[in-house]
Amino acid sequence: DAGVTQSPTHLIKTRGQQVTLRCSPKSGHDTVSWYQQALGQGPQFIFQYYEEEERQRGNFPDRFSGHQFPNYSSELNVNALLLGDSALYLCASSKQGDEQFFGPGTRLTVL
Amino acid sequence: GEDVEQSLFLSVREGDSSVINCTYTDSSSTYLYWYKQEPGAGLQLLTYIFSNMDMKQDQRLTVLLNKKDKHLSLRIADTQTGDSAIYFCAERTGGSYIPTFGRGTSLIVHP
Repeated sequence: DAGVTQSPTHLIKTRGQQVTLRCSPKSGHDTVSWYQQALGQGPQFIFQYYEEEERQRGNFPDRFSGHQFPNYSSELNVNALLLGDSALYLCASSKQGDEQFFGPGTRLTVL
Repeated sequence: GEDVEQSLFLSVREGDSSVINCTYTDSSSTYLYWYKQEPGAGLQLLTYIFSNMDMKQDQRLTVLLNKKDKHLSLRIADTQTGDSAIYFCAERTGGSYIPTFGRGTSLIVHP
């Protein structure tokens, strides 16, 4: 069992650009959540996808959007990148209502 | 104030016990978690406790919950250098799928 996988591992972008991060959930999981973890902070919830729909959303602007595919994998898109978007982006998967398992994260640096 | 608070640093000698403390504000919290994050990695769920319990033990880990004071602690017996990491406390209510995280406690184990 591969667990939760994320790609890419690291990414460098410049301000104003757009980025797409990808996540494959653990086998048997149908729910994917995305978190932003700034340096020295705990993870902050961005949104959660279940049955290809956004089920819950945290306090993030519309520049942050996502998608879930029929195979339960998910993408996080961020438009018009700001320096403050530099962070570790974590994906977590779960079987609905059960505990979340986290991936290793994607380190995004915005210059 | 923050919903979940933790002290930022803890330094212990190898072989001693470590105690990491956490306080939370939501009296309706149903699940309380401890996660471990090693450098450059995602979050690993270590253990969790339901709010109707006051203690849970799992090998070297002991979780204590004082629901009246909204205080959670994680004790690691016989701390090893491999335990050096950031430890996150998190809570969620029964009606939400999303945990709220503290800022993390950086545990440093020295010989």
